[in-house]
Amino acid sequence: KQEVTQIPAALSVPEGENLVLNCSFTDSAIYNLQWFRQDPGKGLTSLLLIQSSQREQTSGRLNASLDKSSGRSTLYIAASQPGDSATYLCAVRLNNNDMRFGAGTRLTVKP
Amino acid sequence: GAGVSQSPSNKVTEKGKDVELRCDPISGHTALYWYRQSLGQGLEFLIYFQGNSAPDKSGLPSDRFSAERTGGSVSTLTIQRTQQEDSAVYLCASSLVGGGSVNNEQFFGPGTRLTVL
Repeated sequence: KQEVTQIPAALSVPEGENLVLNCSFTDSAIYNLQWFRQDPGKGLTSLLLIQSSQREQTSGRLNASLDKSSGRSTLYIAASQPGDSATYLCAVRLNNNDMRFGAGTRLTVKP
Repeated sequence: GAGVSQSPSNKVTEKGKDVELRCDPISGHTALYWYRQSLGQGLEFLIYFQGNSAPDKSGLPSDRFSAERTGGSVSTLTIQRTQQEDSAVYLCASSLVGGGSVNNEQFFGPGTRLTVL
């Protein structure tokens, strides 16, 4: 059974710091891995999608990597800003189209 | 439409009543997904539609839950005889296609917050 784990559960950093969020999954048979952010009381916003054949994706200050064989992904946020404060979720799409989400990392960036 | 929309945004109901939640996917998206997010918990996958078909309904938590999709567009999630443990935010997402295509990025709606008293 696919399990997705995110570490740390919560993270607080000063503005301007670079940071890394971690996601691990137990079964490497995935179609893709997607990183989302969720703001309180709101839906999910897609940040980056990495297909199983890819190793990384970049968008602005965000970079996501995927090591399928080891079951790991990282989300790197450069020069963090208070507006980055949110819960970050990673999700893997299984080969039967089920999705499995991690519990999220709650990020707080202090001004 | 510009994005995935869901209605109602909030629903308060009494235990034992039936509720119907609606999802309008992005126009042209063939794949549609329902999730549930309970307070303090991660997202739980419920069901996936490719067109009007749901190949696997095993993610639905009980037989009180059902979902349908018509015309390859709008989907409704119905919960019969609601229980307090059904209280959660129900999220819908759509993607251009399902499966292993490069066009399977999911876009989420704002969710419906269901409270069962």
